[in-house]
Amino acid sequence: QSALTQPRSVSGSPGQSVTISCTGTGSDVGGYNYVSWYQQHPGKAPKLMVYDVTKRPSGVPDRFSGSKSGNTASLTISGLQTEDEADYFCCSYAGSSTYVFGTGTKVTVL
Amino acid sequence: QITLKESGPTLVKPAQTLTLTCSLSGFSLSTSEVGVGWIRQPPGKALEWLALLYWNDNRNYSPSLKSRLTITRDTSKTQVVLTMNNLDPVDTATYYCAYTEDKSGTDIGFDYWGQGALVTVSS
Repeated sequence: QSALTQPRSVSGSPGQSVTISCTGTGSDVGGYNYVSWYQQHPGKAPKLMVYDVTKRPSGVPDRFSGSKSGNTASLTISGLQTEDEADYFCCSYAGSSTYVFGTGTKVTVL
Repeated sequence: QITLKESGPTLVKPAQTLTLTCSLSGFSLSTSEVGVGWIRQPPGKALEWLALLYWNDNRNYSPSLKSRLTITRDTSKTQVVLTMNNLDPVDTATYYCAYTEDKSGTDIGFDYWGQGALVTVSS
């Protein structure tokens, strides 16, 4: 069970869109529609932003959207805002009630 | 209001056993479908899922750490305890507990997180 692969960093200007990829295998991302995404500001606990690939918990802005194609899931942040600067981690169900997280992506707002 | 809080030692010697407690508020593990997981994060690194305990006492562990981990709950079902044996400096991390639910046809993720507990493994 290896960590899911994410780009180390992505960046964009305020108002732009950025997309973070999360690549796994057929045993995790590709095998289930159970991918979640977490936002983590420095020194803080992670916050759930997306679950079940595309669903947003109550209170999460609709600027955050998730998708999946094959073994790769993606999180898109539209209309980038300064408060979106943070680390983002994907997480996938990996069968037998186990989970695997991604390597993490730092989003920088230019 | 659902909250979780981790507690335990901040410094542990190599080869020793770590015991961390997650105190639950606003819910308990006697509630159907509820689960509590443990996730850790070495300084400056990624999150790593460790273990998960559900309301029905179903327990699941990371395959790579399974031999070293035990997750249990207290009799009141308001605390979840994680033990990890044979500690090594690479186990230095912030350890989080988090709330989830086991619902058919959906995976809500880890919806509520504790503040985390930093554990340093050093002699």
